[in-house]
Amino acid sequence: QLQLQESGPGLVKPSQTLSLTCTVSGGSITSGGYYWGWIRQHPGKGLEWIGFMFHSGNTYYNPSLKSRLTISVDASKNQVFLSLRSVTAADTAVYYCTRVPSSAPGGADHWGLGTLVTVSS
Amino acid sequence: QSALTQPASVSGSPGQSITISCSGTTNDIGFYDYVSWYQQHPGKAPKVMISDVDKRPSGVSHRFSGSKSGTTASLTISGLQAEDEADYYCSSYTISKTMVFGAGTKLTVL
Repeated sequence: QLQLQESGPGLVKPSQTLSLTCTVSGGSITSGGYYWGWIRQHPGKGLEWIGFMFHSGNTYYNPSLKSRLTISVDASKNQVFLSLRSVTAADTAVYYCTRVPSSAPGGADHWGLGTLVTVSS
Repeated sequence: QSALTQPASVSGSPGQSITISCSGTTNDIGFYDYVSWYQQHPGKAPKVMISDVDKRPSGVSHRFSGSKSGTTASLTISGLQAEDEADYYCSSYTISKTMVFGAGTKLTVL
């Protein structure tokens, strides 16, 4: 059974970089047919797509975050990474690691439990 | 990219049917049949209930169904149950190769 587990600091200072890791188990990110990426949810608010990528390197980002965002993978460790630079309080959110079928990229079919990241000094 | 438009709230009594709409544009819902619906209970991760407009993943109740007409997708829940009370979100792929969400609809079972 596929499982996605987010990890990383729960507190990040303003202007610093938010870095999260998603460890995938029960399946390989290189098996093909899927994008791997991130979705976030501000406290008490709706869902916001951050971006996703193929393990081969093609990346797709939310235009509103693109200038600060890098999503990458380490296939040898079956991990997906999120790096969001120059964060502000507006980046405080629960961050979810997700899998999106490339044949049907309108939604994520697997989600991690999510990790809350607070941006505060 | 603009968010999809959903009603803020809907309600229904047990046993009734409700429909939640999700309005987009010709750049997203109107262009692709790549619409998904999610159920989210408080403090939990979203769970996909419908993908590709009308496909139910394994394990999802047949009471949940999806459809699309033009630039509007819909989620219908029949035989409403107390456990269906949750937030529901729609999402769609776009011509810009991005994904966009609706703001969410709170379903109250009376």
